[in-house]
Amino acid sequence: EVQLVQSGAEVRKPGESLKISCQGSGDSFTRFWIGWVRQMPGKGLEWLGFIFPENSDTRYSPSFQGQVTISADRSITTVYLQWTRLQASDTAIYYCARSHIPVDPHFDSWGHGTPVTVSS
Amino acid sequence: SYDLTQPLSVSVAPGQTATITCGGDNIETKNVQWYQQMPGQAPVMVIYRDAIRPSGIPERFSGSNSGNTATLTISRAQAEDEADYFCQVWDTTTVVFGPGTHVTVL
Repeated sequence: EVQLVQSGAEVRKPGESLKISCQGSGDSFTRFWIGWVRQMPGKGLEWLGFIFPENSDTRYSPSFQGQVTISADRSITTVYLQWTRLQASDTAIYYCARSHIPVDPHFDSWGHGTPVTVSS
Repeated sequence: SYDLTQPLSVSVAPGQTATITCGGDNIETKNVQWYQQMPGQAPVMVIYRDAIRPSGIPERFSGSNSGNTATLTISRAQAEDEADYFCQVWDTTTVVFGPGTHVTVL
């Protein structure tokens, strides 16, 4: 069974860059779609996009296109979520989650979440 | 964009049945997933494709989808079912989550 292990909590200042990771273990990691989901403090879930690590095919939510970059390194079974210029409104917990398909997906395995705090 | 609506909160007595709704325009044409999120933890999928229960999810969780409303039913509710529940669908090219329902078991 695939397990998703995320990098630890991060604290940054507005305007700084950040890259967080989600490493998969187990069989066939690169043949699943790995998505990123944001949860702002006390709020619901928002989908940012996902990637197919086997060939780095990436799909973004229109709401987050251009705001973040999703990438993958299949050699180390790791997926990344990256910001070039953080804003205070990026403060949230970010989860990675697995889907078998990119169309009409459902997320059957989740990472533990990476808290990101952006504050001056 | 496609909007989903959920009640903010639902209360249920232990051993009774909790019903959580997810409203959307003609939602019956979409596959609906339900996720349970305990405080401080990652979400867990409890129902997918309207009514399929993943391995390891108790039988007391069931789902249905008809018309403009999808429903998650928790039968014989237990204290451990107290959590937030989110519905989720796919709309055109986007994953959409509902705003979530907090279930209190008291």
